[in-house]
Amino acid sequence: NAGVTQTPKFRILKIGQSMTLQCAQDMNHNYMYWYRQDPGMGLKLIYYSVGAGITDKGEVPNGYNVSRSTTEDFPLRLELAAPSQTSVYFCASSRLRDRDNSPLHFGNGTRLTVT
Amino acid sequence: AQSVAQPEDQVNVAEGNPLTVKCTYSVSGNPYLFWYVQYPNRGLQFLLKYITGDNLVKGSYGFEAEFNKSQTSFHLKKPSALVSDSALYFCAVRDSSASKIIFGSGTRLSIRP
Repeated sequence: NAGVTQTPKFRILKIGQSMTLQCAQDMNHNYMYWYRQDPGMGLKLIYYSVGAGITDKGEVPNGYNVSRSTTEDFPLRLELAAPSQTSVYFCASSRLRDRDNSPLHFGNGTRLTVT
Repeated sequence: AQSVAQPEDQVNVAEGNPLTVKCTYSVSGNPYLFWYVQYPNRGLQFLLKYITGDNLVKGSYGFEAEFNKSQTSFHLKKPSALVSDSALYFCAVRDSSASKIIFGSGTRLSIRP
């Protein structure tokens, strides 16, 4: 199994450009999450999904959109990139259930710079 | 709303000494608690999780965590630190009534030889 795969690894965007960060998992996990990690800061939850067709906002959703058309894929869309979105983005998945404390499996991250 | 706090940005310990990395949490339901470790330029790796009924949980690489319900804490511990333990450590919490998993701000652990 490849686990959680994120592409691209690095990207530089100009202000106002748009892009999609890809995330795919091959573990048949139902829950998927997007986090951002700013330098010297913790992880902030952007969006999450509990299954195909279901998404919900996290702590910092403004400026982002997500979709979950399949169990495997959970892309994150930036429509109008701003310097404040410069960060490292991590995708994670879990086979979480209601009374389960299964851990998250993380991808290796996408380092995004907006200038 | 759920929240998690790591009050120390950095913890410095001499190799061979015990270490503690602190974490406190707030949830409305029952807590699901986790510790993760991040090495430079890598994603996060799972270390251990709280299991209901076990106040002392053992995890990977010799780490353990002590759950204290009255103090709403889940401190990470290791009896004897190694230089290779130097990394960024994150505490995370999920409320049993919710699907979100929230992370603390992280604690940088530095072990000196």
